[in-house]
Amino acid sequence: AQSVTQPDIHITVSEGASLELRCNYSYGATPYLFWYVQSPGQGLQLLLKYFSGDTLVQGIKGFEAEFKRSQSSFNLRKPSVHWSDAAEYFCAVVGDSNYQLIWGAGTKLIIKP
Amino acid sequence: ETGVTQTPRHLVMGMTNKKSLKCEQHLGHNAMYWYKQSAKKPLELMFVYNFKEQTENNSVPSRFSPECPNSSHLFLHLHTLQPEDSALYLCASSQEGFLGATYEQYFGPGTRLTVT
Repeated sequence: AQSVTQPDIHITVSEGASLELRCNYSYGATPYLFWYVQSPGQGLQLLLKYFSGDTLVQGIKGFEAEFKRSQSSFNLRKPSVHWSDAAEYFCAVVGDSNYQLIWGAGTKLIIKP
Repeated sequence: ETGVTQTPRHLVMGMTNKKSLKCEQHLGHNAMYWYKQSAKKPLELMFVYNFKEQTENNSVPSRFSPECPNSSHLFLHLHTLQPEDSALYLCASSQEGFLGATYEQYFGPGTRLTVT
């Protein structure tokens, strides 16, 4: 079965430091990939998506992600984090059997002042 | 109201109660979803409705009963729940179709359900 793996349950980063959140997926063809963010007490908000074309995609709030087919990865990056980025981040891929999203378990980002 | 709204935001119910969760989307989308979110687990897709027709039911116990009266409203009727059903229930919507599928889902804030 298809799966999405986010290896880090928690990540702690100092404010102003760079950030990389990892996402690996199992899939055969070129996948449709997403990153969502969930702030405390809120629903999920789409940060960015990859369907095809340029493998480096830009999203909202200064985030970007790079699709690497050879590594089956779609890591999320931000050059300088702000305290408001503290949230939980979810990676997802469109499943090839029912075209529904398959989700990772999430990575909680903690920002140190 | 804009986006996707959910009511109530918090619900505490006993195992013998009957309650309903409501979701409304103001985005003109044609697909709506119910998800269950438990701590440290991936989101679990429960039900999908496309054009008011249920297209997915991921082996959800019959104590959860969805209803989609039109493309803007989605309900989740709950009865005789178990303590393990305590979770955050998220509603989402999207615009789907053979020519215009986006797979971009817009989420409501969720209903935090506690079963006692």
